[in-house]
Amino acid sequence: QPVLTQSSSASASLGSSVKLTCTLSSKYSGYFITWHQQRPGEAPRFLMKLERTGSYNKGSGVPDRFSGSSSGADRYLIISNLQSEDEADYYCETWDGYNHRDVFGGGTKLTVL
Amino acid sequence: QLQLQETGPQLVKPSETLSLTCTVSGDPMRSGEYYWGWTRQFPGRGLEWIGYINPGGSAFYNPSLSTRVTMSADTSRHQFSLRLSAVTAADTSVYFCARHNAGWDLNLIDHWGQGTLVTVSS
Repeated sequence: QPVLTQSSSASASLGSSVKLTCTLSSKYSGYFITWHQQRPGEAPRFLMKLERTGSYNKGSGVPDRFSGSSSGADRYLIISNLQSEDEADYYCETWDGYNHRDVFGGGTKLTVL
Repeated sequence: QLQLQETGPQLVKPSETLSLTCTVSGDPMRSGEYYWGWTRQFPGRGLEWIGYINPGGSAFYNPSLSTRVTMSADTSRHQFSLRLSAVTAADTSVYFCARHNAGWDLNLIDHWGQGTLVTVSS
Protein backbone atom coordinates (compact mmCIF):
# COMPACT_ATOMS: atom_id res chain seq x y z
CA GLN A 1 0.00 0.00 0.00
CA PRO A 2 1.51 3.33 -1.04
CA VAL A 3 2.27 5.81 1.71
CA LEU A 4 0.68 8.67 -0.26
CA THR A 5 -2.12 8.43 -2.84
CA GLN A 6 -3.15 11.16 -5.24
CA SER A 7 -5.60 11.24 -8.14
CA SER A 8 -3.71 11.37 -11.43
CA SER A 9 -5.64 14.30 -12.82
CA ALA A 10 -8.09 17.06 -11.99
CA SER A 11 -9.64 19.96 -13.86
CA ALA A 12 -11.50 23.12 -12.99
CA SER A 13 -12.55 26.33 -14.69
CA LEU A 14 -10.69 29.59 -14.66
CA GLY A 15 -11.77 31.64 -11.65
CA SER A 16 -13.27 28.68 -9.81
CA SER A 17 -11.89 26.67 -6.87
CA VAL A 18 -10.41 23.21 -6.76
CA LYS A 19 -9.53 20.85 -3.91
CA LEU A 20 -6.72 18.36 -4.49
CA THR A 21 -6.41 15.37 -2.18
CA CYS A 22 -3.43 13.48 -0.82
CA THR A 23 -4.34 10.42 1.24
CA LEU A 24 -1.91 8.94 3.76
CA SER A 25 -1.94 5.21 4.37
CA SER A 26 -3.41 4.29 7.73
CA LYS A 27 -0.04 3.70 9.37
CA TYR A 28 0.90 7.32 8.64
CA SER A 29 -2.47 9.01 9.03
CA GLY A 30 -1.19 11.41 11.71
CA TYR A 31 1.77 12.66 9.71
CA PHE A 32 2.11 16.09 8.24
CA ILE A 33 2.91 16.54 4.57
CA THR A 34 4.26 19.16 2.22
CA TRP A 35 2.68 20.25 -1.05
CA HIS A 36 4.78 21.13 -4.10
CA GLN A 37 3.79 22.68 -7.44
CA GLN A 38 5.59 21.86 -10.67
CA ARG A 39 4.68 23.90 -13.72
CA PRO A 40 5.54 22.45 -17.15
CA GLY A 41 9.27 22.55 -17.80
CA GLU A 42 10.06 23.94 -14.35
CA ALA A 43 11.44 22.61 -11.09
CA PRO A 44 9.06 21.83 -8.24
CA ARG A 45 8.24 24.69 -5.92
CA PHE A 46 7.44 24.28 -2.22
CA LEU A 47 3.91 25.51 -1.49
CA MET A 48 3.20 24.60 2.12
CA LYS A 49 3.65 22.33 5.09
CA LEU A 50 0.26 20.93 6.14
CA GLU A 51 -0.35 19.43 9.59
CA ARG A 52 -2.92 16.76 10.50
CA THR A 53 -4.79 19.52 12.37
CA GLY A 54 -5.21 21.50 9.13
CA SER A 55 -2.76 24.15 10.21
CA TYR A 56 -0.43 25.12 7.39
CA ASN A 57 2.66 27.24 6.73
CA LYS A 58 3.21 28.51 3.22
CA GLY A 59 6.43 29.16 1.40
CA SER A 60 7.66 32.59 0.50
CA GLY A 61 5.62 34.24 -2.24
CA VAL A 62 2.85 31.65 -2.37
CA PRO A 63 -0.37 33.51 -3.17
CA ASP A 64 -3.21 33.76 -0.65
CA ARG A 65 -5.34 31.77 -3.11
CA PHE A 66 -3.55 28.64 -1.92
CA SER A 67 -4.63 27.08 1.35
CA GLY A 68 -4.69 23.69 3.02
CA SER A 69 -6.90 21.59 5.24
CA SER A 70 -6.96 18.08 6.71
CA SER A 71 -9.51 15.45 7.60
CA GLY A 72 -8.37 12.13 9.04
CA ALA A 73 -5.79 10.68 6.68
CA ASP A 74 -6.62 13.17 3.92
CA ARG A 75 -4.59 16.28 3.27
CA TYR A 76 -6.06 18.87 0.93
CA LEU A 77 -4.66 21.62 -1.22
CA ILE A 78 -7.30 24.20 -2.04
CA ILE A 79 -6.77 26.69 -4.83
CA SER A 80 -9.34 29.43 -5.15
CA ASN A 81 -9.86 31.88 -8.02
CA LEU A 82 -7.94 29.60 -10.36
CA GLN A 83 -5.53 31.25 -12.74
CA SER A 84 -3.99 29.88 -15.91
CA GLU A 85 -0.58 29.76 -14.20
CA ASP A 86 -1.97 27.27 -11.68
CA GLU A 87 -2.02 24.62 -14.39
CA ALA A 88 0.69 22.30 -13.10
CA ASP A 89 1.49 19.01 -11.43
CA TYR A 90 0.98 18.96 -7.68
CA TYR A 91 2.86 16.55 -5.43
CA CYS A 92 2.58 15.72 -1.77
CA GLU A 93 5.53 14.51 0.29
CA THR A 94 6.03 12.86 3.66
CA TRP A 95 8.36 10.51 5.48
CA ASP A 96 8.02 6.72 5.29
CA GLY A 97 9.18 5.78 8.77
CA TYR A 98 8.89 2.07 8.09
CA ASN A 99 11.29 2.14 5.15
CA HIS A 100 13.31 5.13 6.41
CA ARG A 101 12.90 7.29 3.38
CA ASP A 102 11.27 10.46 2.07
CA VAL A 103 8.35 9.64 -0.25
CA PHE A 104 6.18 11.45 -2.76
CA GLY A 105 2.69 10.90 -4.03
CA GLY A 106 2.29 10.13 -7.71
CA GLY A 107 1.20 13.68 -8.44
CA THR A 108 -2.02 15.25 -9.69
CA LYS A 109 -2.03 17.00 -13.04
CA LEU A 110 -4.31 20.04 -12.76
CA THR A 111 -5.85 21.44 -15.92
CA VAL A 112 -7.40 24.89 -15.85
CA LEU A 113 -10.26 25.03 -18.34
CA GLN B 1 17.29 34.77 -1.34
CA LEU B 2 18.13 31.08 -1.27
CA GLN B 3 19.26 29.57 -4.56
CA LEU B 4 20.46 26.06 -5.33
CA GLN B 5 22.19 25.22 -8.61
CA GLU B 6 23.13 21.76 -9.84
CA THR B 7 26.20 21.23 -12.03
CA GLY B 8 27.81 18.18 -13.56
CA PRO B 9 28.00 16.04 -16.70
CA GLN B 10 24.77 15.63 -18.62
CA LEU B 11 25.85 12.35 -20.22
CA VAL B 12 27.25 9.38 -18.34
CA LYS B 13 28.19 5.98 -19.75
CA PRO B 14 26.60 2.80 -18.38
CA SER B 15 28.51 1.27 -15.45
CA GLU B 16 30.27 4.56 -14.71
CA THR B 17 29.70 6.96 -11.80
CA LEU B 18 27.35 9.93 -11.98
CA SER B 19 28.68 12.96 -10.12
CA LEU B 20 26.75 16.15 -9.41
CA THR B 21 27.41 19.19 -7.28
CA CYS B 22 24.90 21.63 -5.81
CA THR B 23 26.04 25.16 -5.05
CA VAL B 24 24.06 26.99 -2.40
CA SER B 25 23.75 30.76 -2.26
CA GLY B 26 21.82 32.71 0.33
CA ASP B 27 22.33 30.20 3.16
CA PRO B 28 25.59 29.50 5.02
CA MET B 29 24.78 25.76 5.20
CA ARG B 30 26.18 25.52 8.70
CA SER B 31 22.87 25.60 10.53
CA GLY B 32 21.75 22.25 11.88
CA GLU B 33 18.23 23.37 11.04
CA TYR B 34 18.66 22.26 7.42
CA TYR B 35 19.78 19.15 5.65
CA TRP B 36 20.84 19.12 2.00
CA GLY B 37 19.56 16.45 -0.34
CA TRP B 38 18.96 15.03 -3.77
CA THR B 39 15.75 13.90 -5.45
CA ARG B 40 15.32 12.71 -9.00
CA GLN B 41 12.41 12.72 -11.43
CA PHE B 42 11.98 10.04 -14.02
CA PRO B 43 10.55 10.75 -17.47
CA GLY B 44 6.80 10.62 -16.96
CA ARG B 45 6.74 12.47 -13.66
CA GLY B 46 7.55 10.20 -10.68
CA LEU B 47 9.76 11.67 -7.96
CA GLU B 48 12.28 9.53 -6.04
CA TRP B 49 14.18 10.74 -3.00
CA ILE B 50 17.86 9.78 -3.14
CA GLY B 51 19.08 11.01 0.23
CA TYR B 52 20.33 13.95 2.27
CA ILE B 53 23.30 15.03 4.33
CA ASN B 54 23.54 17.28 7.36
CA PRO B 55 26.19 19.96 7.89
CA GLY B 56 28.07 17.60 10.20
CA GLY B 57 28.54 15.18 7.32
CA SER B 58 26.08 12.48 8.38
CA ALA B 59 24.24 11.15 5.35
CA PHE B 60 20.95 9.26 5.05
CA TYR B 61 20.11 7.40 1.87
CA ASN B 62 17.09 5.81 0.26
CA PRO B 63 17.53 2.12 1.11
CA SER B 64 16.80 1.21 -2.51
CA LEU B 65 19.88 3.16 -3.65
CA SER B 66 22.12 3.02 -0.59
CA THR B 67 24.64 0.57 -2.04
CA ARG B 68 25.41 2.94 -4.92
CA VAL B 69 25.04 6.41 -3.38
CA THR B 70 27.57 8.63 -1.64
CA MET B 71 26.92 12.21 -0.55
CA SER B 72 29.33 14.76 0.80
CA ALA B 73 29.20 18.39 1.86
CA ASP B 74 31.74 21.21 1.89
CA THR B 75 30.14 24.05 3.83
CA SER B 76 33.18 26.30 3.35
CA ARG B 77 32.52 26.21 -0.39
CA HIS B 78 28.73 26.22 0.03
CA GLN B 79 28.45 23.00 -1.90
CA PHE B 80 27.23 19.46 -1.48
CA SER B 81 27.64 16.55 -3.87
CA LEU B 82 26.11 13.32 -5.10
CA ARG B 83 27.87 10.28 -6.49
CA LEU B 84 25.86 7.40 -7.93
CA SER B 85 27.91 4.43 -9.05
CA ALA B 86 27.30 1.66 -11.58
CA VAL B 87 24.65 3.62 -13.45
CA THR B 88 22.29 2.12 -16.00
CA ALA B 89 19.74 3.57 -18.40
CA ALA B 90 17.23 3.37 -15.55
CA ASP B 91 19.16 6.15 -13.81
CA THR B 92 18.37 8.60 -16.62
CA SER B 93 16.48 11.34 -14.81
CA VAL B 94 16.32 14.99 -13.92
CA TYR B 95 18.29 15.37 -10.70
CA PHE B 96 17.26 18.08 -8.23
CA CYS B 97 19.15 19.26 -5.21
CA ALA B 98 16.97 20.48 -2.38
CA ARG B 99 16.94 21.83 1.14
CA HIS B 100 15.23 19.75 3.81
CA ASN B 101 13.90 21.51 6.88
CA ALA B 102 15.25 19.64 9.91
CA GLY B 103 13.45 22.09 12.20
CA TRP B 104 10.28 20.17 11.43
CA ASP B 105 9.54 16.79 13.01
CA LEU B 106 9.96 15.26 9.55
CA ASN B 107 12.85 16.52 7.43
CA LEU B 108 10.87 17.40 4.34
CA ILE B 109 11.78 19.68 1.42
CA ASP B 110 11.23 23.42 1.65
CA HIS B 111 13.31 24.58 -1.31
CA TRP B 112 14.34 23.08 -4.67
CA GLY B 113 17.13 23.61 -7.16
CA GLN B 114 16.42 24.06 -10.85
CA GLY B 115 17.33 20.48 -11.77
CA THR B 116 19.67 18.97 -14.31
CA LEU B 117 18.96 16.21 -16.82
CA VAL B 118 21.43 13.36 -16.72
CA THR B 119 21.27 10.77 -19.47
CA VAL B 120 22.93 7.39 -19.16
CA SER B 121 23.97 6.16 -22.57
CA SER B 122 27.00 4.80 -24.37
